[in-house]
Amino acid sequence: KNEVEQSPQNLTAQEGEFITINCSYSVGISALHWLQQHPGGGIVSLFMLSSGKKKHGRLIATINIQEKHSSLHITASHPRDSAVYICAVIRVRTGNQFYFGTGTSLTVIP
Amino acid sequence: EAQVTQNPRYLITVTGKKLTVTCSQNMNHEYMSWYRQDPGLGLRQIYYSMNVEVTDKGDVPEGYKVSRKEKRNFPLILESPSPNQTSLYFCASSLSAGGRNEQFFGPGTRLTVL
Repeated sequence: KNEVEQSPQNLTAQEGEFITINCSYSVGISALHWLQQHPGGGIVSLFMLSSGKKKHGRLIATINIQEKHSSLHITASHPRDSAVYICAVIRVRTGNQFYFGTGTSLTVIP
Repeated sequence: EAQVTQNPRYLITVTGKKLTVTCSQNMNHEYMSWYRQDPGLGLRQIYYSMNVEVTDKGDVPEGYKVSRKEKRNFPLILESPSPNQTSLYFCASSLSAGGRNEQFFGPGTRLTVL
């Protein structure tokens, strides 16, 4: 069983919809990252969270350490948001090693 | 421009022929890492380095070697590649270890081992 689970695996939305992608993990972590992988393959870092909530433009990321759960929200979705979104955690025990979810593939239709 | 570069971007090779994938960053980052990405399995960490001459195994280190002789460079070496190492490889760097800093990713290297 993967220590980092994402849902849904695939998501199709109409332009303008509010989108939520979920990430659950089963181990103690020191930080959680959200990454975006473009259709061309490139990966960019969106957020690093250790507690609370962060916002950048139309993207909002939250984390609940007690419930071992994080969400990535996209408000007013746009076709350019179509990408794979990946959750990654740093375990407290290993300190410097990353563990990844298998990603959520998002398609936003005009 | 701040960036992580990888070379080559595409490589087709044969079983057993040693190869090196280079990775370089120009941001003076301490932490560097190699990942492989496979369909259905996602990203998995191969090796990471917390600073010069300090490296450690990730989740899937078998069949790979790394070295960190200079801060900017972190090459990935496959001494005897096998078909199960066919994958998309990413190098990444961040300011420091511990996962509290943004990671910057290279463009990826698509490796096929025949």
